[in-house]
Amino acid sequence: EIVLTQSPGTLSLSPGERATLSCRASQSFSSSYLAWYQQKPGQAPRLLIYGASSRATGIPDRFSGSGSGTDFSLTISRLEPEDFAVYYCQQYGSSPRTFGQGTKVEIK
Amino acid sequence: QVQLVQSGAEVKKPGASVKVSCKTSGYTFSSYGITWVRQAPGQGLEWMGWIRDYSGNTNYAQKLQGRVTMTTDTSTSTAYMELRSLRSDDTAVYYCARGLDWYGVWGQGTLVTVCS
Repeated sequence: EIVLTQSPGTLSLSPGERATLSCRASQSFSSSYLAWYQQKPGQAPRLLIYGASSRATGIPDRFSGSGSGTDFSLTISRLEPEDFAVYYCQQYGSSPRTFGQGTKVEIK
Repeated sequence: QVQLVQSGAEVKKPGASVKVSCKTSGYTFSSYGITWVRQAPGQGLEWMGWIRDYSGNTNYAQKLQGRVTMTTDTSTSTAYMELRSLRSDDTAVYYCARGLDWYGVWGQGTLVTVCS
C-alpha cells in the first residue's frame, strides 16, 4: 500500500499569503495519478485537482498542483478567507487508493 | 445537476450491521463506479472500496474484507454499502463518491455511531 505523508500538519498564514502544501508518497506510482481535496468542518470533501495538476470544474486558478513520481505539491497563490480548511492528497495510481493524513491551513 | 443523496444517520450496537444507501441522479449511473470513504471523528479520510456500476465488480480495503459488501441497484441508480460485525471504531461519517479514481461528486455523508 502506498503511504502518503503530508507536510506540514498545520500551516498558519494570513489572507493574501501564499500557501504551499506537500504530499510525499512512499513509492512511485502510475503516471501522475494524484488528486487534492479541500474539506471544511461538517462538509464533504471537494475535489480541487486531479492528474496532479488539472483543476476540477469551477476551481479558482489560485489553486495549482504540481509534481510527479513521489513528490507533489498544492499551491494556493493568495489565500482567500474561504480557503482556510483541511487539505488532503489522494493517489489513484495503485490499489488500494490511499489518502494523506491532511494539512490544516489556519488563519494566523 | 449531478447529486448523490445518502440515507440518514444510524445508531447501532456492537456486533450489528448497517446498510447505507447512496441515491444518484443527474448522470448515467452505469457509466461511473461508486467509491465509499469514511471519516472517524476528528480524523482523516479512509478509502473503503469501490464498485463498478456496469459489472458489479468490487475492490475492498484489506482491513474490511469479510465485513463489507458494496452493491448497486441499477433500476433506482442507488449504491449500497453494508458493514457487518460493527465495532466502536467503525463510528464514522460514511461518504459515497462518484468514480473509481478521483472523486468529483460526493454524497453529504451518513453518520454511523456504534455504541452499547
